[in-house]
Amino acid sequence: NAGVMQNPRHLVRRRGQEARLRCSPMKGHSHVYWYRQLPEEGLKFMVYLQKENIIDESGMPKERFSAEFPKEGPSILRIQQVVRGDSAAYFCASSPGGVGYEQYFGPGTRLTVT
Amino acid sequence: QKEVEQNSGPLSVPEGAIASLNCTYSDRGSQSFFWYRQYSGKSPELIMFIYSNGDKEDGRFTAQLNKASQYVSLLIRDSQPSDSATYLCAVTDSTLTFGKGTMLLVSP
Repeated sequence: NAGVMQNPRHLVRRRGQEARLRCSPMKGHSHVYWYRQLPEEGLKFMVYLQKENIIDESGMPKERFSAEFPKEGPSILRIQQVVRGDSAAYFCASSPGGVGYEQYFGPGTRLTVT
Repeated sequence: QKEVEQNSGPLSVPEGAIASLNCTYSDRGSQSFFWYRQYSGKSPELIMFIYSNGDKEDGRFTAQLNKASQYVSLLIRDSQPSDSATYLCAVTDSTLTFGKGTMLLVSP
């Protein structure tokens, strides 16, 4: 499968737990983006990463959220001490170049906080 | 703050007709423009991208860009029921900003 991969596809967490979302970009892509989509709302940019670097985290909440894209392995979006308002679909996208290039989306992770 | 505006719809067209989806954006510095299709419960799928003023055609899809008017559109010819989905317009400068999407319903 040459597409963007995300896991898990569904994640249920209780309030206060940590959520870890993983994303492997398309083969040949080194630019990764994370988006959040709340029910009945549009896609919101969260963070843009390249290998070992955070390029733009202007859309990331200041607290509890962090992202990384290590030299080896997938990109990870981490949400600490989840709250019910974190329930959403989280999508990862990758591109062959910077922001002006087309982005291809993974299937998403549906996070439910109970 | 950059804004991307789309009519939420639904836009209803009969099978075989042309569907016209429109989008306006606020940032004159925007350089790249994208159309995504999103089925309910699924992830966005890239349909078209356009960088220069004018038209770009790919199969049944045509993207049109007018930077002076800050307007981008998507035409779908010979619409099929399988085209029924939400179409997202996205515009990029430093980040990719999405509109909330237009729901398209194609009736058999």
